[in-house]
Amino acid sequence: AQSVTQLDSHVSVSEGTPVLLRCNYSSSYSPSLFWYVQHPNKGLQLLLKYTSAATLVKGINGFEAEFKKSETSFHLTKPSAHMSDAAEYFCVVNGGTYKYIFGTGTRLKVLA
Amino acid sequence: DTEVTQTPKHLVMGMTNKKSLKCEQHMGHRAMYWYKQKAKKPPELMFVYSYEKLSINESVPSRFSPECPNSSLLNLHLHALQPEDSALYLCASSQTPGAGGASNEQFFGPGTRLTVL
Repeated sequence: AQSVTQLDSHVSVSEGTPVLLRCNYSSSYSPSLFWYVQHPNKGLQLLLKYTSAATLVKGINGFEAEFKKSETSFHLTKPSAHMSDAAEYFCVVNGGTYKYIFGTGTRLKVLA
Repeated sequence: DTEVTQTPKHLVMGMTNKKSLKCEQHMGHRAMYWYKQKAKKPPELMFVYSYEKLSINESVPSRFSPECPNSSLLNLHLHALQPEDSALYLCASSQTPGAGGASNEQFFGPGTRLTVL
């Protein structure tokens, strides 16, 4: 069985400071892992994905994530937050089936 | 073209109406999905089509009727909905699992905001 836990429902950072959004997963298989961003009343946009290649994954808009098998984590980071980063972020795990398991989401607030 | 399009953007309907949501992709993906998303929640899977055949139905009420007329189109027919069905309906597509090692990320459309009065 697979599961994903986003450890923080809300994160607030000041503009220009680093962002850390935490995600832990559980999977019996070698999983694919994704981070998606959703702005209000919009669809989900893929930020980055891990599919068993490099453990440090770079995505769009300056985001990156590191796959740590020993810690079963896939945390999302960005060195410097921008106001436009304020949104909902979802960590998603897939074990090679049609079912994608979504975390409960982390709402990122960026303070001016 | 990595875009999934959905129409309409917004839909308001009464409980006795019949309406349809449409989704289209031209990425050659043979898996297509319908999700329902309530406010401040993650998307919930409703249906999966694989090679135009219904592969997964997550015990969705029969007032929601999916259809996949061809490999690029996905419809969701709505009839006799309830106010609690009001939500954002998202369509997504992906490669099928194990498709020659292809990347399996889902591509999402912008959604249809449905309000049932």
